[in-house]
Amino acid sequence: GNSVTQMEGPVTLSEEAFLTINCTYTATGYPSLFWYVQYPGEGLQLLLKATKADDKGSNKGFEATYRKETTSFHLEKGSVQVSDSAVYFCALSEGDNNDMRFGAGTRLTVKP
Amino acid sequence: NAGVTQTPKFQVLKTGQSMTLQCAQDMNHEYMSWYRQDPGMGLRLIHYSVGAGITDQGEVPNGYNVSRSTTEDFPLRLLSAAPSQTSVYFCASRQPGLVYEQYFGPGTRLTVT
Repeated sequence: GNSVTQMEGPVTLSEEAFLTINCTYTATGYPSLFWYVQYPGEGLQLLLKATKADDKGSNKGFEATYRKETTSFHLEKGSVQVSDSAVYFCALSEGDNNDMRFGAGTRLTVKP
Repeated sequence: NAGVTQTPKFQVLKTGQSMTLQCAQDMNHEYMSWYRQDPGMGLRLIHYSVGAGITDQGEVPNGYNVSRSTTEDFPLRLLSAAPSQTSVYFCASRQPGLVYEQYFGPGTRLTVT
């Protein structure tokens, strides 16, 4: 079945450091890919998405490119801030059947 | 709009007790889902629905029942609680179509002793 493998955490960075969180997926067809963020005590919020190969999703300085040849959707940010501290989830959805699969999540802590 | 609401926020059950976690959305979304979140395992899909009267099983459906009698509500029932069901439960909703995002509720933290 479909699945998502996400970089193990936790990740601790200093403010203004470069961030990469790796995400690879397994799917039988052509899924849509997502990054969600969860701030402490809250539900998940969509951070960015890409619905076809070579699409780049971006939001709040975060970017991820849908790479079909490597089945990857790595999350990057050039300069992290303390306010980016959260748990980040990679997810995929194949077809429009409401069956979305998530990775294990990566906890990011940014220190001043 | 209140978005997706969940009640209760916290719940403690004894093994064998039953209860219903409530979920409601006021965005007229056809699709709704229940997930559980466990440390190191991300979110796992329990049950989902693509419209009133239609439900289906996700990755981890055992021990849970759902029904969808209205577009707005999607309750999750634990028939006989077990310690393995200790988790944080999230309800989500969205419109059909690949471009539409999921909207999540704030979660219910359930402890089964």
